[in-house]
Amino acid sequence: DSGVTQTPKHLITATGQRVTLRCSPRSGDLSVYWYQQSLDQGLQFLIQYYNGEERAKGNILERFSAQQFPDLHSELNLSSLELGDSALYFCASSATAGTGYANEQFFGPGTRLTVL
Amino acid sequence: SQKIEQNSEALNIQEGKTATLTCNYTNYSPAYLQWYRQDPGRGPVFLLLIRENEKEKRKERLKVTFDTTLKQSLFHITASQPADSATYLCALGTGTASKLTFGTGTRLQVTL
Repeated sequence: DSGVTQTPKHLITATGQRVTLRCSPRSGDLSVYWYQQSLDQGLQFLIQYYNGEERAKGNILERFSAQQFPDLHSELNLSSLELGDSALYFCASSATAGTGYANEQFFGPGTRLTVL
Repeated sequence: SQKIEQNSEALNIQEGKTATLTCNYTNYSPAYLQWYRQDPGRGPVFLLLIRENEKEKRKERLKVTFDTTLKQSLFHITASQPADSATYLCALGTGTASKLTFGTGTRLQVTL
């Protein structure tokens, strides 16, 4: 158990809908990262927050947004969903911001999103 | 463009042998490299980290090498066991940016 929790475990929804994925980092970790993993793309970095502020952005679509709250949990919002958004979404946390540090990341169990 | 390559074909080895997995990168200057293990449907689990000024790192049956001239890392599992069967991911970090970039992983299958 990494100490990172994600809810829900599974999500099935229809195209055009909006969903919210939730992540609670390990106790004491200030950084939260979101990744998307699909069969053909591997693990793709989406976005990072550090202590409530956006720190780094990857291949995140404009339809997707995220935030980190004062209690450090994070939410990833996916809207206008398309079939191609079906994937495993992982949240990870680390103690540091990552810049200048070799940041070992602790991954949650993931949310499997199926868009029908 | 930046590229991280891991052997996409599964690696099948016999129990007790040494498994060697490769991670090659191009157009990248990583400050460090990490290896993760991922089981089907689960999140990756951190295994080892090696910095650019280190040649080799060991942890129990695991060994990682990092050659910045060849732009390659090798990941070794000695005395492999069926429980080592999983997908192994390498990930690069630059040190100036906080994100990790992952390779697509190599699936290892250890048979009796």
